[in-house]
Amino acid sequence: SQTIHQWPATLVQPVGSPLSLECTVEGTSNPNLYWYRQAAGRGLQLLFYSVGIGQISSEVPQNLSASRPQDRQFILSSKKLLLSDSGFYLCAWSGRGLYNQPQHFGDGTRLSIL
Amino acid sequence: GENVEQHPSTLSVQEGDSAVIKCTYSDSASNYFPWYKQELGKRPQLIIDIRSNVGEKKDQRIAVTLNKTAKHFSLHITETQPEDSAVYFCAASRGGRRALTFGSGTRLQVQP
Repeated sequence: SQTIHQWPATLVQPVGSPLSLECTVEGTSNPNLYWYRQAAGRGLQLLFYSVGIGQISSEVPQNLSASRPQDRQFILSSKKLLLSDSGFYLCAWSGRGLYNQPQHFGDGTRLSIL
Repeated sequence: GENVEQHPSTLSVQEGDSAVIKCTYSDSASNYFPWYKQELGKRPQLIIDIRSNVGEKKDQRIAVTLNKTAKHFSLHITETQPEDSAVYFCAASRGGRRALTFGSGTRLQVQP
């Protein structure tokens, strides 16, 4: 069966520091991968999605970036964090198919910026 | 792009009653509509989904209905239980490489 791993689970970072969140998927090949952010008590905002190695689509202009160095690895980065980057970051994957496939979420990283 | 509106934002029901959450979408080309349940501090979990080629889908106490003409879809939970208490999100997608657009969520509280 497929599993998705995200780490770290929680992170406290000072303003202006860099960021690297990692997500890996097991048990499937060539997945679509997604990064979402959820502010406290709010909905899910799509940040990036990827349909293959090196292919990244950005949905919201911001100081974050994403990379997909391997088929089942998705990384979210920032060179300098802002206070507004605080939130719950969720990675998700979906399979390939003619029609939309369900998205499955990781456990998330709770990021606090001080 | 797609816009999904979800109502109500909060919903309180008595145990055993039914709960209905409604969503509207703007993109008539959307063809996939999942619902997620998120418990406090946890990941969203898919509970049911529907594609545009059907009007209704049921899974035990949960059902989803879709009205393509009106561009709205609803989640129905019957015989609610305290463990149904959570935030529920609807979403919509056009398919292909398109990602999901989520509604703003409904906080459901089931009173024992």
